[in-house]
Amino acid sequence: DVKVTQSSRYLVKRTGEKVFLECVQDMDHENMFWYRQDPGLGLRLIYFSYDVKMKEKGDIPEGYSVSREKKERFSLILESASTNQTSMYLCASSPKRRLDTQYFGPGTRLTVL
Amino acid sequence: RKEVEQDPGPFNVPEGATVAFNCTYSNSASQSFFWYRQDCRKEPKLLMSVYSSGNEDGRFTAQLNRASQYISLLIRDSKLSDSATYLCVVNSPHEKLTFGTGTRLTIIP
Repeated sequence: DVKVTQSSRYLVKRTGEKVFLECVQDMDHENMFWYRQDPGLGLRLIYFSYDVKMKEKGDIPEGYSVSREKKERFSLILESASTNQTSMYLCASSPKRRLDTQYFGPGTRLTVL
Repeated sequence: RKEVEQDPGPFNVPEGATVAFNCTYSNSASQSFFWYRQDCRKEPKLLMSVYSSGNEDGRFTAQLNRASQYISLLIRDSKLSDSATYLCVVNSPHEKLTFGTGTRLTIIP
């Protein structure tokens, strides 16, 4: 079974803090993704990566950065958290050339005060 | 116009009934289509792909209409365990998945 894990289920941070969200997958997948999910807006892609050290902007990259130093790990960084970044963050992975079969982690509910 | 649009519901349907959802997409160059299911406070999971000729998986039937740019999901003989949010997903030409906002379904005993 594919397993995608995220470092925290719930996180509370203050405005201006630097926030790291970690995602690890154990299936040797090439593709990894970060989404945020908000009521009425659905899942929106923040960043994705096709391979180690590669990253591509998604639809809403502003205010975020990512790091992929190892194949199994994809980190999302909020350089200076703001209240409008309060959201559910979902990480996903998929095998090369199989974007349809994305496996999601359990999500991190981030609250920025 | 949103790339993928769904009726948010909620749909409240008695157990055993048939229910259908539609979803429209705006990019005529879209190539692949899927339905994902998301249970309350859980992550989305792939339910089924949608093929041009239509496809069935047990009680679930998915259909694609390229001319009108919509896809549908039909659930027959609905069960309590079908209660979830159903996400319509489209693979855009840039190989990203675009998710609809989801349709919430509640099956009533």
